Order: sequence, then structure tokens, then C-alpha cells
Amino acid sequence: QKEVEQNSGPLSVPEGAIASLNCTYSDRGSQSFFWYRQYSGKSPELIMFIYSNGDKEDGRFTAQLNKASQYVSLLIRDSQPSDSATYLCAVKEGTALIFGKGTTLSVSS
Amino acid sequence: DGGITQSPKYLFRKEGQNVTLSCEQNLNHDAMYWYRQDPGQGLRLIYYSQIVNDFQKGDIAEGYSVSREKKESFPLTVTSAQKNPTAFYLCASTDGSNYGYTFGSGTRLTVV
Repeated sequence: QKEVEQNSGPLSVPEGAIASLNCTYSDRGSQSFFWYRQYSGKSPELIMFIYSNGDKEDGRFTAQLNKASQYVSLLIRDSQPSDSATYLCAVKEGTALIFGKGTTLSVSS
Repeated sequence: DGGITQSPKYLFRKEGQNVTLSCEQNLNHDAMYWYRQDPGQGLRLIYYSQIVNDFQKGDIAEGYSVSREKKESFPLTVTSAQKNPTAFYLCASTDGSNYGYTFGSGTRLTVV
């Protein structure tokens, strides 16, 4: 069973700080990785995807991938209260996405 | 606007009943998926279909059934064999690129 692991949190950061979310995966052959944001009671929305080692930046979000260590992380700079949500890490296995349980982020103003 | 429509938004099922959740997409995506989410949990794959008239079991297919008679539609039936069906059900589709999935707004099923 391929696994994706995340700390459930909650991760609490003050407004304006950097939030760091981490994810590890079990299948060394995995190629594509995704971060989704999910507000309570809503469906997930795609924030970032990454498939090359290194960093990928999009606005306040940076995804980091280290295939040798089998982890992928998401950094959120200048965190805002509106960033408070659950962040789901997903790994593509064949045609399907395997999700972690998510990390709950709380940004206090 | 292109997207995925799930209906109904809320569904109540009596013990022993079968219920069917609807998922329709107008994105022209070949692949469609059903996930289940329990409180505080991630998404678990129930069934998926990569092409019309073909589908595969995911990690938790027991007690569920699907059909894919049209490219646009992928309904999920929760049968009476599913002993704990209360959950949030999400339908998704993809064109196979690395842009991830597009999700519907979900159906919240409750057993009463």
C-alpha cells in the first residue's frame, strides 16, 4: 500500500509569518506531486504541482521536492487569516492521486 | 462554464437502502474518480474510470458500484453492503496532464 504521510496539526502561525507544511511518501518511483487547499465543508482546490527536484514558486507559495529523501513541502509566505484551511498533499500513482490526511493550518491575526 | 457537477449536495439514506450519487462533467475529460472523505481524514479512492465502459476498483471499493456509459457521467451507487456510508463524497476528473484533478463540490451522505 503506497502511503502519503502528513502531520495532522494544527499548525498555528501568526499573520505575516511563513508556514511550512511537510509531506513524505513511500513510493520512490513517484513522479508527480500536488498540494491542495481545502476549506471546511468544501472540496479541495489545487494550489501547486511539482515534478522536478528543487523549488517551484507561485506567488506566496513555494513547493519543494526532494526525491532522494522522499519528501515534498509547501511554504506559504506572508501568511494571511484566509490561508487557514487544511492542506492536502497528493502523489500521483498511475492515473490516480493518493492523498495524505492533511495538515490543518491556523493563521491568527 | 466548464466544471463538474455533483448532486445532490446533501443526501440522507435509511439503513438497507441503496442510493446513487450523480457526477457530471463538461470538461471533456477522459478520466473520472470517486473519493470518500471522513472527518479529519484525507481522501480515499473508491473507483475510477479512464474511458467509457471501463472502470477499476480503488482502495475501498467494497459496498460501492459505478457505471460509465457516457464520457460525461460517472454515477456512484452506495449499496446496503456498505456498512458505514456516512461521509463526504467527492467526484473528480482529469485530462491526464500534470495539472491534477478538478473536483466537484461534493455530496454529504448521512445514514439516518
